[in-house]
Amino acid sequence: DSGVTQTPKHLITATGQRVTLRCSPRSGDLSVYWYQQSLDQGLQFLIQYYNGEERAKGNILERFSAQQFPDLHSELNLSSLELGDSALYFCASSVSPASSGNTIYFGEGSWLTVV
Amino acid sequence: AQSVTQLDSHVSVSEGTPVLLRCNYSSSYSPSLFWYVQHPNKGLQLLLKYTSAATLVKGINGFEAEFKKSETSFHLTKPSAHMSDAAEYFCVVTQTGANNLFFGTGTRLTVIP
Repeated sequence: DSGVTQTPKHLITATGQRVTLRCSPRSGDLSVYWYQQSLDQGLQFLIQYYNGEERAKGNILERFSAQQFPDLHSELNLSSLELGDSALYFCASSVSPASSGNTIYFGEGSWLTVV
Repeated sequence: AQSVTQLDSHVSVSEGTPVLLRCNYSSSYSPSLFWYVQHPNKGLQLLLKYTSAATLVKGINGFEAEFKKSETSFHLTKPSAHMSDAAEYFCVVTQTGANNLFFGTGTRLTVIP
């Protein structure tokens, strides 16, 4: 158990809908990352937050947004969903940003299926 | 810019034989390198990491990796494969100033009884 908690574990929704994925980082970790894993794209970095502020942005679509709250949990919002958004979404956390070589711990992911 | 190349998308070994998963990296500055493992329907678990200390890094479950700057490689090895090692393995790089991890495309390890 990495200590990173993601909910829901599985989610099935229709095209055009909006969903919210939630992540609680490890106790004491200030940095939260979101990754998308799909069969055709592999593991793609979406976005990173550190202590409530956005620190880095990767291949995140405009239909997607995220935030980190004062209690350090994070939410990833996916809207106007398309079939191609079906993927495993990982949240990860670390004490400080990855640049210092700190270990990044991953949750077990949220499986999103868009039908 | 940072990137990693995992040279084999699929490796198949017999139980009890050595495992070698190959990874080459590209990084402008001193990199930090990691190997993560993903078992079916599970999250990513850290196997080991290199952060400019000893070049031979020992990880969990008998795995180790050697950082070779001259070859820009960070290959993962294990002397004797176990059935429970069957999984997807990811080589990952980051560097000073970077705010996220860069993943390789993964190597699927199959262990034959």
